[in-house]
Amino acid sequence: DGGITQSPKYLFRKEGQNVTLSCEQNLNHDAMYWYRQDPGQGLRLIYYSQIVNDFQKGDIAEGYSVSREKKESFPLTVTSAQKNPTAFYLCASSEGTGTPISYGYTFGSGTRLTVV
Amino acid sequence: AQTVTQSQPEMSVQEAETVTLSCTYDTSESDYYLFWYKQPPSRQMILVIRQEAYKQQNATENRFSVNFQKAAKSFSLKISDSQLGDAAMYFCAYLIPLGGATNKLIFGTGTLLAVQP
Repeated sequence: DGGITQSPKYLFRKEGQNVTLSCEQNLNHDAMYWYRQDPGQGLRLIYYSQIVNDFQKGDIAEGYSVSREKKESFPLTVTSAQKNPTAFYLCASSEGTGTPISYGYTFGSGTRLTVV
Repeated sequence: AQTVTQSQPEMSVQEAETVTLSCTYDTSESDYYLFWYKQPPSRQMILVIRQEAYKQQNATENRFSVNFQKAAKSFSLKISDSQLGDAAMYFCAYLIPLGGATNKLIFGTGTLLAVQP
């Protein structure tokens, strides 16, 4: 079955460390996204990518970095510059050019990151 | 600025009863898409229902229906015959294009729905 796989499910980071969250999709979707979810704030867009080797900052990109070397993969690195990284992170994808954009996103099951 | 407002942080409904979750949004666009997503305790985001702004007819999906009032910029979700499995956080979302192949979902802050047996 097609879908999005995020790993790990839980991740613990020490102060000053960089950590990378994995996101893989087998839906053949062109666009991929990273959202951050905090209690009482809904979901906020961190980064998005339309195609391989291209990505753009979202609303809260500071302290994060991404890469898109393959269509299927869109990993997110939480750097030491992110001052409050404890949150739930969701990866998503959507169909690209030439297809209806009306269907919204397919989401992964998320990664819970905690700073220890 | 495009915003989505869910004014009910928490709601409760008796099993088999009907509940309505409220959502308002702000936009200057004439053509757009609206969604309701469900997030159960597993944290998986599940699409419940969607509405195209150019369609006057309200969307329905089994026990889920919306009341879309375009002029009022209102998009409420009605859940009929509520079931225990409906207990979850519900997010209203508005889709805007970012250019090219991408678009952006703007989310409300969510409504936590409890279903009482």
